[in-house]
Amino acid sequence: EVQLVESGGGLVQPGGSLRLSCAASGFTFSDHYMDWVRQAPGKGLEWVGRTRNKANSYTTEYAASVKGRFTISRDDSKNSLYLQMNSLKTEDTAVYYCARVGAAGRGFDPWGQGTLVTVSS
Amino acid sequence: DIQLTQSPSFLSASVGDRVTITCRASQGISSYLAWYQQKPGKAPKLLIYAASTLQSGVPSRFSGSGSGTEFTLTISSLQPEDFATYYCQQLSSYPLTFGPGTKVDIK
Repeated sequence: EVQLVESGGGLVQPGGSLRLSCAASGFTFSDHYMDWVRQAPGKGLEWVGRTRNKANSYTTEYAASVKGRFTISRDDSKNSLYLQMNSLKTEDTAVYYCARVGAAGRGFDPWGQGTLVTVSS
Repeated sequence: DIQLTQSPSFLSASVGDRVTITCRASQGISSYLAWYQQKPGKAPKLLIYAASTLQSGVPSRFSGSGSGTEFTLTISSLQPEDFATYYCQQLSSYPLTFGPGTKVDIK
C-alpha cells in the first residue's frame, strides 16, 4: 500500500523552529518529486513547496510566503521527506500535508494524513 | 502567479442531482489542472488530473473537462459520500495554486 505519514507537528512560539517529517512506504520514493501543502484552520489549501528527485538534482521550489524561512529536504535512503520551518509566524499555523507528485502534471497522490503546527505565544 | 477562481463557492444539492463546478484560471494553463475532494478532517483525494483524466479508483460519475482558462468538474448523479469540498489546482507554473474550494452540501 502506498502510504505517507507525517510527524513532528506541535505548538511553537512565534520566531521558533520546527522540523516536520514525512515517512513514505509502498513505492520507490527516490523516483518521485515530493511536495508540502498546508491548510490553515477553516481555510483552503496552500502549496508550500517541492523537492525534485535525484535525477533532477534535488532542486527545490517554494511559495513566496515561506521562501527564506522554510527548507525542504529528503533522505532517499530513509524514504523520508522533511520540512524545516524557521522564524515561524502565527500565520504559519496550519495542518501540513506531504504529497507525492505524479509524473507530467498528474497531480498529488497520495497525501499524508497531515500534522498540525500551531504557532502561538 | 496564476489565480484560480471557483464557482459556486457553495452548492446545496440532493442525492441523484447532476452537479457542475467551474474553475477559471487567470491565464492559460493548457490542461495542467487537477481536481481534489476533501472531507472534514481528512486529506484531499485526487479525482481528476490533466483536466479530464479520471484517477484510478475514482467512480465514473466524476468527470472533468476544459482547457486553457476554463474547466469544469461534473458529478453525474450525486451520492451521499460525495458531500465534501472540492478544489481545483493548476500545475502549469510555480507557484502551484489551488482554487478557494466549492463546498457541496445536502439540500
